[in-house]
Amino acid sequence: QVHLVESGGDLVKPGGSLRLSCAASGFALSGYYMSWIRQAPGKGLEFILYISNSGEAIYYADSVKGRFISSRDSASNSLYLQLNRLSPDDTSVYYCARDFSNLGLDLWGQGTLVTVSS
Amino acid sequence: SVLTQPPSVSAAPGQKVTISCSGSSSNIGNNYVSWYQHLPGTAPKLLIYDNNKRPSGIPDRFSGSKSGTSATLGITGLQTADEADYYCATKDYSGGVFGGGTKLTVL
Repeated sequence: QVHLVESGGDLVKPGGSLRLSCAASGFALSGYYMSWIRQAPGKGLEFILYISNSGEAIYYADSVKGRFISSRDSASNSLYLQLNRLSPDDTSVYYCARDFSNLGLDLWGQGTLVTVSS
Repeated sequence: SVLTQPPSVSAAPGQKVTISCSGSSSNIGNNYVSWYQHLPGTAPKLLIYDNNKRPSGIPDRFSGSKSGTSATLGITGLQTADEADYYCATKDYSGGVFGGGTKLTVL
């Protein structure tokens, strides 16, 4: 069985930081491109990060560029998303997803909620 | 959003509905399109990838097509369980982009 499990979401004050995790099981992250997507309350899906199968972040949305940093740990088969200088606009459910084919995202985690509020 | 979808569509059970997704040459015009179904509180589900292919387990009631800089999702034999938000997605420059989403109501 293949799964993605996100964790790390929390309530954080504006200007604060948080690290999200995306643990993969049943497949190797090194075989796939991966994406981070978020959905703010009452809003649509927003594509924020695209990661190559080598673990390199090859795209950051303008809304997070310079503040969010992606990394990958092969030993734990996990992705990480470091969220810095958070603002209330970053309040969202954050998903990681596997790219099956040309941004056909066939496997999603359940999402983790980040709330930025004072 | 860079990709334009109608905010809402509706149809009766058993009927057919189409959802459009309009983009440009920098995204849909030169890339594959995928479609997702999103129910509140759940993870989005891939319905269509590479413009018109269905993943295993997706019924053939769901279909996708692309022409130029636009794409369309079709759903036939509507069921109340199909009531959800639907999103198109494609690559744009070096990343990706979603449409604004369409809420499907099955009357």
